[in-house]
Amino acid sequence: DAKTTQPNSMESNEEEPVHLPCNHSTISGTDYIHWYRQLPSQGPEYVIHGLTSNVNNRMASLAIAEDRKSSTLILHRATLRDAAVYYCILSTSGTYKYIFGTGTRLKVLA
Amino acid sequence: NAGVTQTPKFQVLKTGQSMTLQCAQDMNHEYMSWYRQDPGMGLRLIHYSVGAGITDQGEVPNGYNVSRSTTEDFPLRLLSAAPSQTSVYFCAGGRSYNSPLHFGNGTRLTVT
Repeated sequence: DAKTTQPNSMESNEEEPVHLPCNHSTISGTDYIHWYRQLPSQGPEYVIHGLTSNVNNRMASLAIAEDRKSSTLILHRATLRDAAVYYCILSTSGTYKYIFGTGTRLKVLA
Repeated sequence: NAGVTQTPKFQVLKTGQSMTLQCAQDMNHEYMSWYRQDPGMGLRLIHYSVGAGITDQGEVPNGYNVSRSTTEDFPLRLLSAAPSQTSVYFCAGGRSYNSPLHFGNGTRLTVT
């Protein structure tokens, strides 16, 4: 199963950009990179996903390294509501085993 | 669309009892899965299904059974509840491996 590595925790000041890293050195050519977040006492929610190119949506941006062995989730202006655990996972065609790991706990300081 | 619906929201069981956690989706998801989340921990995959009649084991399948007789429903059965199964259980569904996962609101299970 493809694995990802994330820092256990990160801190950011409110209204500043946040870059959350993820390493996935064993990624295969057709694996998609997904990011989810889990707010306190809630279920995980989808943030963004991509294959090779950088992706943007209303919540965040996803920057994917050229060799695809790492990616970065970018929150452009962190708010207190962005305090959550962020999970980077890989999805593989044909297996559908989404393994979540422990994620990065983001703390946003007012 | 209701999305992914889990019932019940809360459940208390005694050791040895059995029960079924329900998960239903109305988004035409081929893929469905069950996770458990222990306090302060990440999600661990219990079982998953890639379509009606097809199920497979995840990371922590022992003590749990699943079946997928219809595309819409994916129940999780606890055969003989143990205190170690006290956890929050999440069901998730998705169209394909390159589509987002949609999660239910979770079932908080306590086994005494």
